[in-house]
This record gives sequence, C-alpha cells and structure tokens, in this order.
Amino acid sequence: AQSVTQLGSHVSVSEGALVLLRCNYSSSVPPYLFWYVQYPNQGLQLLLKYTSAATLVKGINGFEAEFKKSETSFHLTKPSAHMSDAAEYFCAVSDFRRNDYKLSFGAGTTVTVRA
Amino acid sequence: DTEVTQTPKHLVMGMTNKKSLKCEQHMGHRAMYWYKQKAKKPPELMFVYSYEKLSINESVPSRFSPECPNSSLLNLHLHALQPEDSALYLCASSPRAGESSDTQYFGPGTRLTVL
Repeated sequence: AQSVTQLGSHVSVSEGALVLLRCNYSSSVPPYLFWYVQYPNQGLQLLLKYTSAATLVKGINGFEAEFKKSETSFHLTKPSAHMSDAAEYFCAVSDFRRNDYKLSFGAGTTVTVRA
Repeated sequence: DTEVTQTPKHLVMGMTNKKSLKCEQHMGHRAMYWYKQKAKKPPELMFVYSYEKLSINESVPSRFSPECPNSSLLNLHLHALQPEDSALYLCASSPRAGESSDTQYFGPGTRLTVL
C-alpha cells in the first residue's frame, strides 16, 4: 500500500512570506502524487499533480512542488503568501486497492496567513 | 461544464429517517466516488464506481447504500443513521476508470447532521 505523511498539522506565515508545506511518500513503485486545497465549507480543488513527466510541477495560484525521489518527498511551495491562501492543504497518493485505484490522503496542513 | 454538483447542500435528519444525497457530473467521467469527511480530518473513501459498477466498498455499514443509475449520476441512500455519521459527504469523479494518474474532481459536499 502507498501512503503519504504531511509534516506539520498547522503552518502560520506572514503575508508575502514563503509558504512551505511538507509531504513525504511511501511507495514501492513510482507514485502519482497530488496536492489539493480545501477552503472552509467547500470541496477539494486540485493545486497540482506529479505524474513523472517533470520533477518540478507548477500548479494554480502560484504554487509549485518538486518531486525528489532520493528524499521521497513532494513538498509544496509558494514564494509569497496571500491572505486568500488560508485553507486546508492535503497531499495524496494514488493507491491500488483490490481492483481499482483510490486516493490516500495525508492528515492535512492548516495554513493561516498573518497580515 | 467542468463541475461536480451535489444536492442538498445541508441535510438534517433523524435516526429513523430515510434520505438520499445526489451527485451529478456532465464531464463524461467514467469513475465516481463517495467520501466522508469529519472536521479537521482528510476525506475517507467510502465507495468507487467504475463504468457504473461498484468497484470498491471500503467496508461501509449497510445503512449507507450507493446507487449509480447512469454514468452522470451517483446517489447515496441513507437509512437509520447514527449521530456519529454526521459529516461532510463529498462526491468526486475522474475521467477514466482504473487510471491511477487521473485527477479526481470534487463537488462542494453535503453537510449532514444526524439528530
């Protein structure tokens, strides 16, 4: 089974500062990895995904993530935080289960942005 | 049309009631999913439908009964629920069934309260 671990359940940053959210994966084969964002009382929205085409993946809203096989990591970054980035962020890996695929999510990281 | 819609947005029901949640997508996606999400937790997979057939049931209690009448519609029938079933229920869809790299597109969710 494949899984992800998100380090840090809560991250607080100042507006304009770097946002760094950590995700490490456990997989015996090259994984497909995803970052989703969830704003209060809403569903999940894809920020970006890694499917082995390129190790540096650019997503929406200025976010990007780098796949590092040697570190089994897929950390999410944004150079300059905006107040609208306050949300819950989930890292996920595609995992084969019985006869189909499912997303296995990390525990999530809550981001707060200070003015 | 690139969205997944869910109705109702909010639902309050007693433990003896029967109700249904509805999910619809018109993107031609062939895989559809039900998730349950408790506050401050990641989504937990309940069911996966691939080509309108149930492919994954994550040992969900029988008081939850999924139905996929056609490729665009997914229902979740609820009966004799318990207060601990109160949660946000999310529906998602992805383009191809059995494809691990595909993005799952989430609806806004139904907030369920069981009294």
